[in-house]
Amino acid sequence: QVLLQESGPGLVKPSQTLSLTCTVSGGSISSAGSFWSWIRQHPGKGLEWIGYISDSGSTYHNPSLKSRASISMDRSKNQFSLNLSSVTAADTARYYCTRYERGIFDDWAQGIQVAVSS
Amino acid sequence: EIVLTQSPDFQSVTPKEKVTITCRASQSIGSNLHWYQQKADQSPKVLIRFASQSFSGVPSRFRGSGSGTDFTLTIDSLEPEDAATYYCHQSSSLPQTFGQGTKLEIK
Repeated sequence: QVLLQESGPGLVKPSQTLSLTCTVSGGSISSAGSFWSWIRQHPGKGLEWIGYISDSGSTYHNPSLKSRASISMDRSKNQFSLNLSSVTAADTARYYCTRYERGIFDDWAQGIQVAVSS
Repeated sequence: EIVLTQSPDFQSVTPKEKVTITCRASQSIGSNLHWYQQKADQSPKVLIRFASQSFSGVPSRFRGSGSGTDFTLTIDSLEPEDAATYYCHQSSSLPQTFGQGTKLEIK
């Protein structure tokens, strides 16, 4: 089991870029077979998978976000990050970073609430 | 994109009752279907992986079954701490998707 912790601003202005970082402890983000993922949950709603980055740096982003999402990693800091550009009120949500391994999202951070508002 | 449809959306149940939640996929996903439990103000936690495999530390009253397009999560003898929203998730194809959730209320 690894521990994950998100960090970033809780308020972002419309049209700006939302930037979040997830710090992983208790394991390496370079561990073979691990994928590092972002999932969001709109207020009172279900779960939406944003995308992930593999241990080798390959990425997949959900097409529903129309190329606004970008996931990257910093191996030296054992962190991975999410940038979501051109945000609107529809991007207001709780954002979770998770580990995806062997088919499941097995470790989750507590989540960070992000509001988009001027 | 594979759509997962859960039923019911909401259920009010009494302790010790048996509960069944279903998840239907818009196309066949084999056994690549997993179940999560999300309690109020908490992150989701894995209950069942690959349709029927119990996850480490999960009470044995949680059981999963199914394959292809139809899946079931069964909770035998509901406990008060099982009040939560339950989600199914498919890892068969990208983008990965979740069901809309089933909220269980304990009477």
